[in-house]
Amino acid sequence: AQSVAQPEDQVNVAEGNPLTVKCTYSVSGNPYLFWYVQYPNRGLQFLLKYITGDNLVKGSYGFEAEFNKSQTSFHLKKPSALVSDSALYFCAVRKGNTPLVFGKGTRLSVIA
Amino acid sequence: GAGVSQTPSNKVTEKGKYVELRCDPISGHTALYWYRQSLGQGPEFLIYFQGTGAADDSGLPNDRFFAVRPEGSVSTLKIQRTERGDSAVYLCASSAGTKNTGELFFGEGSRLTVL
Repeated sequence: AQSVAQPEDQVNVAEGNPLTVKCTYSVSGNPYLFWYVQYPNRGLQFLLKYITGDNLVKGSYGFEAEFNKSQTSFHLKKPSALVSDSALYFCAVRKGNTPLVFGKGTRLSVIA
Repeated sequence: GAGVSQTPSNKVTEKGKYVELRCDPISGHTALYWYRQSLGQGPEFLIYFQGTGAADDSGLPNDRFFAVRPEGSVSTLKIQRTERGDSAVYLCASSAGTKNTGELFFGEGSRLTVL
């Protein structure tokens, strides 16, 4: 069965600095990888996905993620953080027709 | 509608009562998912519909939980004899077509509190 690990419960970063939110996955074969963001009192919003092709995937709000097969990672990155990026971020994986499996989430706090 | 709509947004009930949670997916989306999110956790899969039929119900925790989608659009999650451990946010999502590479569009959730 597939699984996702988000090793950090909380990430703090100063506004303007680069940010990284870590994600590693466990799945046999080729994974489909996703990042979602959850703002307070809002539903989960899709950010980006990796299905196949280029390992660097660009998504909404200036976010990007790099698929690294050898390290089984799919870290979320942004070159310059904004205070408005503060939210809960979820990494998710699926394989084939199995349901999307989410990590427990990482709370990002961007400090002005 | 413009997005996935879930009602009620909040539901408080007493232990042992019956609860129904409703999901109205994005128009034209054939796939519909129910997830449950407990405090401090990521969403946990419950059940997935493709059209009217439940394609995968492996995430339903026990037989107190049941979901229907009779006309392939609106879905209702039904919980019988609620327990305090059922307290969580219940999320509904929909996606277009049968492609498993497509992203899910989530509603804002129904927060269930069982006293």
